[in-house]
Amino acid sequence: QVQMVQSGAELKKPGASVKVSCKASGYTFTDYYLHWMRQAPGQGLEWVGYFYPYNADTHYAQKFRGRVTLTGDTSISTAYMELNGLRSDDTAIYYCTRDPAYGGDELDYWGQGSLVTVSP
Amino acid sequence: IVMTQTPLSLSVTPGQPASISCKSSQSLLQTDGKTYLYWYLQKPGQSPQLLIYEVSNRFSGVPDRFSGSGSGTDFTLRISRVETDDVGVYYCMQSRQLPWTFGQGTKVQIK
Repeated sequence: QVQMVQSGAELKKPGASVKVSCKASGYTFTDYYLHWMRQAPGQGLEWVGYFYPYNADTHYAQKFRGRVTLTGDTSISTAYMELNGLRSDDTAIYYCTRDPAYGGDELDYWGQGSLVTVSP
Repeated sequence: IVMTQTPLSLSVTPGQPASISCKSSQSLLQTDGKTYLYWYLQKPGQSPQLLIYEVSNRFSGVPDRFSGSGSGTDFTLRISRVETDDVGVYYCMQSRQLPWTFGQGTKVQIK
């Protein structure tokens, strides 16, 4: 069965970096885009960007460009999101989710979320 | 593309219908003929889950009391008979154009 298991909660200081992982199983890793979303406390969902394991293609939301890097390791079916220059407003739950490379963009499986807290 | 949902909250008696509107600032119809509008439900303390894809297609396992409709820039999610398990925040999302964007969310509660 399809599973997307994310790394645990992180507590970081302002200015630091965080790297969140998302391990996929139960499907062919390279057949799906991996999107990252975030949700600040009590707020809605925000798209961060995507990573395409087949060719390592990436695309980032404008507000994160220069601070976020999406990568993956196809040998272990794991995607990563690294966010640099952390600020207090980066405190959020970060989700990974998959999107079929062919057809529509239905995000049918999501990770459990990784809470990143930025605090002095 | 800006996605605007109304209402932002809804309190519904079990067994009664509910309806959520989602309007996009641009048409979500793509040149391939598909309209890239999706509905997700985020139950309390959980990750979002897919309900409806491409306007009106129910995802596997989604009860038939959920239905989606609309075209172009105006879309609606309907729940024919709300159940207690339907509480949570409902989001519409567009993937017609990067960056993908979500509506603000509609919180559904039970009276």
